[in-house]
Amino acid sequence: AQSVTQPDIHITVSEGASLELRCNYSYGATPYLFWYVQSPGQGLQLLLKYFSGDTLVQGIKGFEAEFKRSQSSFNLRKPSVHWSDAAEYFCAVGISNFGNEKLTFGTGTRLTIIP
Amino acid sequence: DGGITQSPKYLFRKEGQNVTLSCEQNLNHDAMYWYRQDPGQGLRLIYYSQIVNDFQKGDIAEGYSVSREKKESFPLTVTSAQKNPTAFYLCASSPPRRTGDQPQHFGDGTRLSIL
Repeated sequence: AQSVTQPDIHITVSEGASLELRCNYSYGATPYLFWYVQSPGQGLQLLLKYFSGDTLVQGIKGFEAEFKRSQSSFNLRKPSVHWSDAAEYFCAVGISNFGNEKLTFGTGTRLTIIP
Repeated sequence: DGGITQSPKYLFRKEGQNVTLSCEQNLNHDAMYWYRQDPGQGLRLIYYSQIVNDFQKGDIAEGYSVSREKKESFPLTVTSAQKNPTAFYLCASSPPRRTGDQPQHFGDGTRLSIL
């Protein structure tokens, strides 16, 4: 069965600083990979996805992520964070045989932005 | 605008009472999902349905029941058998399997609490 690890429970960065959120997955075949963001009391919004092709994927709000098969990682990055980026971020993996029918989520990373 | 509507936003349950959470989508998606979110545990799949009149158990189905009588609707019943129902519940939907490169779309959630 697939699994997702987000090793950082909480990260604090200064506004304008760069950001990297880590995600490692475990799955035997090529995975479908996603990053979602959740504001307090809200649902999840898709930031970006990887299915195949270019391993560096661009998403909304200036986020990007890089798929590294050798490291089983799909880390999320942003060159300069804004106060509005404060939220919880979830990495998810979907089994490739059936698209995104079943997703396994990581436990999330809460991002705090300080002025 | 198309989307997923969950209602109510807040719900309170007395001990021994069943409650039903509503999820409606107008995205014309075939697949629908229910997740439970607890602090520090990410999202866990309760039930999912790939087509009308069919559904499968997820990872934590005990104490829950669902129905899928219409494509647009996937209500979740939290039964009295669920001993720890306090959580944030999220509904999601996704397009058909043949377009498996599409991600899941989420509603804004229902927060269930025990009185």
